[in-house]
Amino acid sequence: GAGVSQSPRYKVTKRGQDVALRCDPISGHVSLYWYRQALGQGPEFLTYFNYEAQQDKSGLPNDRFSAERPEGSISTLTIQRTEQRDSAMYRCASSLAQGASNEKLFFGSGTQLSVL
Amino acid sequence: KNQVEQSPQSLIILEGKNCTLQCNYTVSPFSNLRWYKQDTGRGPVSLTIMTFSENTKSNGRYTATLDADTKQSSLHITASQLSDSASYICVVSSYGNNRLAFGKGNQVVVIP
Repeated sequence: GAGVSQSPRYKVTKRGQDVALRCDPISGHVSLYWYRQALGQGPEFLTYFNYEAQQDKSGLPNDRFSAERPEGSISTLTIQRTEQRDSAMYRCASSLAQGASNEKLFFGSGTQLSVL
Repeated sequence: KNQVEQSPQSLIILEGKNCTLQCNYTVSPFSNLRWYKQDTGRGPVSLTIMTFSENTKSNGRYTATLDADTKQSSLHITASQLSDSASYICVVSSYGNNRLAFGKGNQVVVIP
């Protein structure tokens, strides 16, 4: 596709359920970032990958959160045993070059997660 | 404590007027600083990217400055238009690990 694609666009789930959020970056982009944004708050960095390697996961809130990018393209962010405080817009972004020192980041439209 | 602080949190300006948004950061070592515009319900769109050696960069009516010594950046909007109403987010990348530190954004409302 022409841009970063995320699915689902909206996800409503009951507390305690697991959810998997998908990010399909722009073809050929090396770096992929996950972040989340709660209503009225600024974005919060979660984790990022270069190719299939997870470079930094220190932004993941706790061990219920995990992410993978097994083939260096599509990435999945998984939240286990969801809690209401997990409700937020989850966005991913990708950039062409590793390191991204002067590369544009392209953001997806996000997945709006609501945990009831 | 957030590594990127933006001010003012929100402001209202008249169409045609100029405004300046501030971003102070503590991220170290510094790699680059980006300003994004985020319309309500949309993803952020890149306005400028500046590395350590750059101290100003323009994109149309948007001009960003960077003082890497004082760790401050500003985004100046000239002759504001109604379409400039958005959240402006400052994002700083650290050298070596490329972790992104986001500010909470400056919410700008332009009124006719």
